[in-house]
Amino acid sequence: GNSVTQMEGPVTLSEEAFLTINCTYTATGYPSLFWYVQYPGEGLQLLLKATKADDKGSNKGFEATYRKETTSFHLEKGSVQVSDSAVYFCALSALSGGYNKLIFGAGTRLAVHP
Amino acid sequence: SQTIHQWPATLVQPVGSPLSLECTVEGTSNPNLYWYRQAAGRGLQLLFYSVGIGQISSEVPQNLSASRPQDRQFILSSKKLLLSDSGFYLCAGGTSGRETQYFGPGTRLLVL
Repeated sequence: GNSVTQMEGPVTLSEEAFLTINCTYTATGYPSLFWYVQYPGEGLQLLLKATKADDKGSNKGFEATYRKETTSFHLEKGSVQVSDSAVYFCALSALSGGYNKLIFGAGTRLAVHP
Repeated sequence: SQTIHQWPATLVQPVGSPLSLECTVEGTSNPNLYWYRQAAGRGLQLLFYSVGIGQISSEVPQNLSASRPQDRQFILSSKKLLLSDSGFYLCAGGTSGRETQYFGPGTRLLVL
């Protein structure tokens, strides 16, 4: 079946540190991959996405590359800020019963300290 | 892109009371609509999805139900709340044929 596995948090970093949040997936076919971000007390916001192998999604300094050979979609940022503190969800899109279903990982909490 | 509205933002209800959470969508017609629940500190569980008016599919058996009386309105209901219904409820919308879902701000429900 389809599933998403993320590294467990929390991830605690100092401001300007390099960030990596690992995400691997299991899927039939070639799903699209997403990263969503959830700030405290809010809903989820789409951060970036990639629709095919070797695509790189990027937004707000975050990047993730769709790696088919390692079934991974790791999120990276070169220099984090305190305002990046949030929960990050990796997800894949799978066609199910005629509609596109998003399957989420458990989420990784990021805390950035000044 | 779509804009998803949800209300109320926060709700405290006694066990056994009814529930009605509303979600409305702007910026698209005939969206696919979804209700998710997020338990404290955990990921998202898909509860219901709808591809059109009156068309509801349930992902998991539970104490809740959903309805879609209008194209851009999606309602989550319960006749009698349980303690285990507490959580953060998120509505999402997506365009048919496209994979990206857009989320509302969520409703935090506490059942006491």
